Amino acid sequence: EVQLVESGGGLIQPGGSLRLSCAASGFTFTTDEMFWVRQAPGKGLEWISYISPSGSKIFYADSVRGRFTISRDNAQKSLFLHMGSLRADDTAVYYCAGGIEYTGSPERWGQGTLLTVSS
Amino acid sequence: DIQMTQSPSSLSASVGDTVTITCRASQAIRNDLGWYQQKPGKAPERLIYAASSLQSGVPSRFRGSQSGTEFTLTINNLQSEDCATYYCLQHNNYSWTFGQGTKVEIK
Repeated sequence: EVQLVESGGGLIQPGGSLRLSCAASGFTFTTDEMFWVRQAPGKGLEWISYISPSGSKIFYADSVRGRFTISRDNAQKSLFLHMGSLRADDTAVYYCAGGIEYTGSPERWGQGTLLTVSS
Repeated sequence: DIQMTQSPSSLSASVGDTVTITCRASQAIRNDLGWYQQKPGKAPERLIYAASSLQSGVPSRFRGSQSGTEFTLTINNLQSEDCATYYCLQHNNYSWTFGQGTKVEIK
């Protein structure tokens, strides 16, 4: 069974740092391009980061560039998102998603993990 | 940055109706577009990729099409389980932008 399972969300104060993880199983992780997508409460979907299968290509949305870092460990079949200088408007459900390289639109999605940034 | 203008923001239709959702890109994006369905509390599911290719397992009543920079998701014979929010996603040249979403309700 194809699975992406996010973890690491929770409540954190503004200015803090946190790392989200996504564990993959049931498919060939090493050939998948991976994404982080978030959704603020009651709002639409927002793409925030991309990493190629080898990790050689990385891209960020303007809203998180310089504060967030995407990485992956292909041996552990895991995707990460290091988040720093967190703000209230980073509050969202964070989804890990992936798909075969060059497909562009991810077909596999995790269930999401909620991050709340609040004092 | 490429902007995606999705319309309408919401619609209400009856079972058996045909509904159409449109996304317009601010510049040419080839066929680099997917369509997603999201039900409340759930992750999005891809319906269409490469503008018009049906995702495996998705009912054939869902159809994607393109005319230049205008992309359309058509749902034929609307079913009660199609009640959801639909998003387009452009992914041209290593940039990604979602449309604002269309909430489909059943009358």
